Amino acid sequence: GAVVSQHPSWVICKSGTSVKIECRSLDFQATTMFWYRQFPKQSLMLMATSNEGSKATYEQGVEKDKFLINHASLTLSTLTVTSAHPEDSSFYICSARDFDDEKLFFGSGTQLSVL
Amino acid sequence: KQEVTQIPAALSVPEGENLVLNCSFTDSAIYNLQWFRQDPGKGLTSLLLIQSSQREQTSGRLNASLDKSSGRSTLYIAASQPGDSATYLCAVDTGGGNKLTFGTGTQLKVEL
Repeated sequence: GAVVSQHPSWVICKSGTSVKIECRSLDFQATTMFWYRQFPKQSLMLMATSNEGSKATYEQGVEKDKFLINHASLTLSTLTVTSAHPEDSSFYICSARDFDDEKLFFGSGTQLSVL
Repeated sequence: KQEVTQIPAALSVPEGENLVLNCSFTDSAIYNLQWFRQDPGKGLTSLLLIQSSQREQTSGRLNASLDKSSGRSTLYIAASQPGDSATYLCAVDTGGGNKLTFGTGTQLKVEL
């Protein structure tokens, strides 16, 4: 089946630093990718929709200047958490939609801990 | 705004038992509903997808039903096994385009 690779799987960083998370579709092209955030014991919340070659669409309440999304190719989207703070600590998951059959596949997630 | 709720939040059953997980949503104008499985610290695995025009889908020991008018879906797991232990999430696609609204999840533990 289709595979979405998300890297890194976990990261610990100091407050004020920036962290980049990569989401790659390994065997299919993904014109659209989605970024979700999940706090402990809560459900996944959609942060933004990433479209290849265009600006991302952010959900209400998500700061676009803090969560920078780049979707420069049909197989790669990146989420950069800029000037991270402890409240940004969360589990971030990406998903990618297969261009051919529109099925959705999820990455394995990234656990971010900001000290 | 679409809201998705899952009951129960947690469930512990002995191996072999049949069980039902419930999902309800407030806006019945959906494109589809999916059930996912999430293992601790991992991503999501899609289990079943029901289109809005369908009533149910089956895969192995899993059966999902959809009653769009009442805003409900159930996931039936037959003959549960310890390997079924995970968090089960339902999600609805309201606007199309795979923008999903997720439920709060049911954490299932199947004991030997």
